[in-house]
Amino acid sequence: KAGVTQTPRYLIKTRGQQVTLSCSPISGHRSVSWYQQTPGQGLQFLFEYFSETQRNKGNFPGRFSGRQFSNSRSEMNVSTLELGDSALYLCASSLGSHTGELFFGEGSRLTVL
Amino acid sequence: DQQVKQNSPSLSVQEGRISILNCDYTNSMFDYFLWYKKYPAEGPTFLISISSIKDKNEDGRFTVFLNKSAKHLSLHIVPSQPGDSAVYFCAAITNTDKLIFGTGTRLQVFP
Repeated sequence: KAGVTQTPRYLIKTRGQQVTLSCSPISGHRSVSWYQQTPGQGLQFLFEYFSETQRNKGNFPGRFSGRQFSNSRSEMNVSTLELGDSALYLCASSLGSHTGELFFGEGSRLTVL
Repeated sequence: DQQVKQNSPSLSVQEGRISILNCDYTNSMFDYFLWYKKYPAEGPTFLISISSIKDKNEDGRFTVFLNKSAKHLSLHIVPSQPGDSAVYFCAAITNTDKLIFGTGTRLQVFP
């Protein structure tokens, strides 16, 4: 079956702009989580959506937001971009159970100039 | 505050030898732990997990050990193969089902 699909794969923005990233989970998966990966910081949890509701949230400022649609597809938005937002943004889907086995997409690499 | 720590950013091991990757955590409420492997330009993939009620879980060449009293877990790879070269992340699940990752250890297996 098809894996987790993230678009776009690469993008370049300038400070102050906003960006929207998209994630299509594996069919049947109702949970979508977003992570930010930067060198030396590992995978930082942004938020998780389950059945269109935000179920968990990490410690990121309000400039980072997300949503999930009825078909489980999810988007995350970052407004007023800063240089430090340059990172690989990873989306992961799961059935939503307490086992933690996530299926990750290849990520969207954002560069902020 | 990094609740899951991988203090070794990199590890280099000869092919055929054992690779031991370590992970420490601070929250005693974590009840499930996982290891993920990540190749460049790919998303992380699940490798192996362990529940807090166990102290060992084995899957082929991969074994995870959990020492709850020390809040420490380790991943053993025996024997190590060049294809194991990747970044390894340990992760823990909170009581609110949030998955917290460590900073990763880059493993290089050389011939």
